[in-house]
Amino acid sequence: NAGVTQTPKFRVLKTGQSMTLLCAQDMNHEYMYWYRQDPGMGLRLIHYSVGEGTTAKGEVPDGYNVSRLKKQNFLLGLESAAPSQTSVYFCASRLTGGNTEAFFGQGTRLTVV
Amino acid sequence: DQQVKQNSPSLSVQEGRISILNCDYTNSMFDYFLWYKKYPAEGPTFLISISSIKDKNEDGRFTVFLNKSAKHLSLHIVPSQPGDSAVYFCAAKEDAGGTSYGKLTFGQGTILTVHP
Repeated sequence: NAGVTQTPKFRVLKTGQSMTLLCAQDMNHEYMYWYRQDPGMGLRLIHYSVGEGTTAKGEVPDGYNVSRLKKQNFLLGLESAAPSQTSVYFCASRLTGGNTEAFFGQGTRLTVV
Repeated sequence: DQQVKQNSPSLSVQEGRISILNCDYTNSMFDYFLWYKKYPAEGPTFLISISSIKDKNEDGRFTVFLNKSAKHLSLHIVPSQPGDSAVYFCAAKEDAGGTSYGKLTFGQGTILTVHP
């Protein structure tokens, strides 16, 4: 049982390049989230999904897009990377939107130069 | 607008003593609160939670207290151990009704260092 797996773990991008971060969970969770962690800012919600085929904006969605074509996968895309998107990205999943905890992946460290 | 705040960026405690981490919130729609622990280069892991209908929840060395009138929660670790050294995040969930879908909002985190 792998839980939540993020790919890749590290990446360096040049300004203007695009990339996709993949999150996969094997717990049959309905809810999935993408957060970014920056020093002094904690974890901020980028986008989330409450089920296959659904997505919604979080607190800091600008510059990112997401897709949830399959229940187990949640993709985060950067169409034109900017240095301000240098961060550590975490994916999380939850069984429901009720009183349940979220399970996190190990993170992706992205540097945009 | 920071709805969940951890005003202490860091805390240093001696091994065996009590660690108290604090968290304040502003949104009265929060009905479930969680604490996460994070080691460097790893994802956050769930530690303990509390529903808004309770004022205390205990799990081994970890106890979470909730004061709804003050919109304040705290995590007590007794006794503290060097392995507890990590970043601790508090998080709050909005009522799952309406359009919030039970989103989790996190604080900035507090770095706990437990000295041997």
